[in-house]
Amino acid sequence: ETGVTQTPRHLVMGMTNKKSLKCEQHLGHNAMYWYKQSAKKPLELMFVYSLEERVENNSVPSRFSPECPNSSHLFLHLHTLQPEDSALYLCASSLNRVGYTFGSGTRLTVV
Amino acid sequence: GIQVEQSPPDLILQEGANSTLRCNFSDSVNNLQWFHQNPWGQLINLFYIPSGTKQNGRLSATTVATERYSLLYISSSQTTDSGVYFCAVGKEYGGATNKLIFGTGTLLAVQP
Repeated sequence: ETGVTQTPRHLVMGMTNKKSLKCEQHLGHNAMYWYKQSAKKPLELMFVYSLEERVENNSVPSRFSPECPNSSHLFLHLHTLQPEDSALYLCASSLNRVGYTFGSGTRLTVV
Repeated sequence: GIQVEQSPPDLILQEGANSTLRCNFSDSVNNLQWFHQNPWGQLINLFYIPSGTKQNGRLSATTVATERYSLLYISSSQTTDSGVYFCAVGKEYGGATNKLIFGTGTLLAVQP
């Protein structure tokens, strides 16, 4: 375990479903991130939060909606996804520029 | 934006061999990290190395920031070293957050 916990590990959802991914860290980190990893592509940063405030949204479609209620928890709410959104979604946290730690990821399949 | 290139894209080694992985980046950065992703998808942070040299067991890394490259050395490779090695360069936001831009990785297979 890295100290960053993601649930669920696997998720299959239909295009009309609504689901949420959860990420939790108890490392005392002050920033949290969502990354998307698709086959044959580099990891893509989706959202960055610092002190519960969104710092960056890399032009992610609105069908992905993040929520950061406190410095230890991060959610990614999903609705009306497309098959091309199938990927490994990784949560990470960091303490300033060091200690960048990833969770195990959620393997998402959209059918 | 900053481009990160890694080489080689694929590498097959016999157990016990040594290897060098390279990361080139296109602009000045103030952060560089190496990660290992195991076959189950877990990413592990190996080094935070914006400059200089660090060693951790059989792994070591060197970053020459002025020439915009970093090297990861793996000595006496083991089958458990298999997986994908990513280089990521960092960019600060307000001192607290740290956007990392990832390369496409080097896929390493160590054969017994």
